[in-house]
Amino acid sequence: KAGVTQTPRYLIKTRGQQVTLSCSPISGHRSVSWYQQTPGQGLQFLFEYFSETQRNKGNFPGRFSGRQFSNSRSEMNVSTLELGDSALYLCASSFRGTDEKLFFGSGTQLSVL
Amino acid sequence: DQQVKQNSPSLSVQEGRISILNCDYTNSMFDYFLWYKKYPAEGPTFLISISSIKDKNEDGRFTVFLNKSAKHLSLHIVPSQPGDSAVYFCAATSYDKVIFGPGTSLSVIP
Repeated sequence: KAGVTQTPRYLIKTRGQQVTLSCSPISGHRSVSWYQQTPGQGLQFLFEYFSETQRNKGNFPGRFSGRQFSNSRSEMNVSTLELGDSALYLCASSFRGTDEKLFFGSGTQLSVL
Repeated sequence: DQQVKQNSPSLSVQEGRISILNCDYTNSMFDYFLWYKKYPAEGPTFLISISSIKDKNEDGRFTVFLNKSAKHLSLHIVPSQPGDSAVYFCAATSYDKVIFGPGTSLSVIP
């Protein structure tokens, strides 16, 4: 069974640009959640999608958005990039939601210059 | 307001000895707790979990203890092995919500 796939693995952008990250969950998983990891901050919850609907959202500005498609694949978009957006962005999937065991992808390392 | 805390950013242990990683939480609504392990350049992987109705769960070398009155849980690794060197994240969940701690970097010295 294929795991969670995130693309691309690495991205370099400049301030003001926008970026789209992609996540393909494990087959059969309907919940996809996104996290930002920065040194010393752990994993900060961005949002969760379930059956194409955003079910939960963390404390991030509106520049961070996402969506989920009918095949459960999800994308995350960050507009007007800032230097502080440099981080590892992780996607996780599960059957039911974020209150159970999560399966993570390897992440997308975003560097904003 | 950090709802899940891991107060030790790093920990070094000799191979074969016990590693104890600690986690504290503030929200009494959390009812399920998980530990994840993360190697560099990889995503976190699930290690072990415990429900709030239990006070201990064991899986091989890994045991998680939960003290609800103190809002504290700990992960014990016995015996520690060099391959256990990684960052360990504690996570607390309630209905459709998960909060991760900042992580503890464990180094197991051969």
